[in-house]
Amino acid sequence: KNQVEQSPQSLIILEGKNCTLQCNYTVSPFSNLRWYKQDTGRGPVSLTIMTFSENTKSNGRYTATLDADTKQSSLHITASQLSDSASYICVVVSNYQLIWGAGTKLIIKP
Amino acid sequence: DVKVTQSSRYLVKRTGEKVFLECVQDMDHENMFWYRQDPGLGLRLIYFSYDVKMKEKGDIPEGYSVSREKKERFSLILESASTNQTSMYLCASTTPGAGSTEAFFGQGTRLTVV
Repeated sequence: KNQVEQSPQSLIILEGKNCTLQCNYTVSPFSNLRWYKQDTGRGPVSLTIMTFSENTKSNGRYTATLDADTKQSSLHITASQLSDSASYICVVVSNYQLIWGAGTKLIIKP
Repeated sequence: DVKVTQSSRYLVKRTGEKVFLECVQDMDHENMFWYRQDPGLGLRLIYFSYDVKMKEKGDIPEGYSVSREKKERFSLILESASTNQTSMYLCASTTPGAGSTEAFFGQGTRLTVV
């Protein structure tokens, strides 16, 4: 069964600190993997896309990695800001199916 | 920019009422989706549509129906609302092609059934 699992379920860190969110998947076939950010009360918005051949991709203070062999992805946030408080959702695209993780709720404390 | 618009941000309905949630997208996307999102469960697919008048059941279609009369509009219908349908409902449309599929979401409708 295609599944996407994220950890931790929730995370609280101090402003300015770094953090890493994990996404493990058992999805076949694999088309690509995206990380979404969802602010409270809003729909998710795409942060970055990882294709099979890409290992690392950065988008400002966000860096996503993908290990296609171990079927793991991570999202690293550097120098966190209060505006980073949100849920971060990993989704794996398999052909035309979107398989969503449950998300990690990140809280940045001042 | 792609825009997906849901008709209401917040709704409160009574048990047994018929509820309509409307979603409109302006980028000529063929694929549209309705999800519900509950704490700890993530996004769960209710129904999706890949063309006008076409619909497919998702993972949790029971108690819901959908309508796609026009390409830009995808409606979710709760035939007889129940308290366990209290949730956040998200509509999405996706870019074509499996190679770079991106989902664009509406702002969500928070439905409370009392």
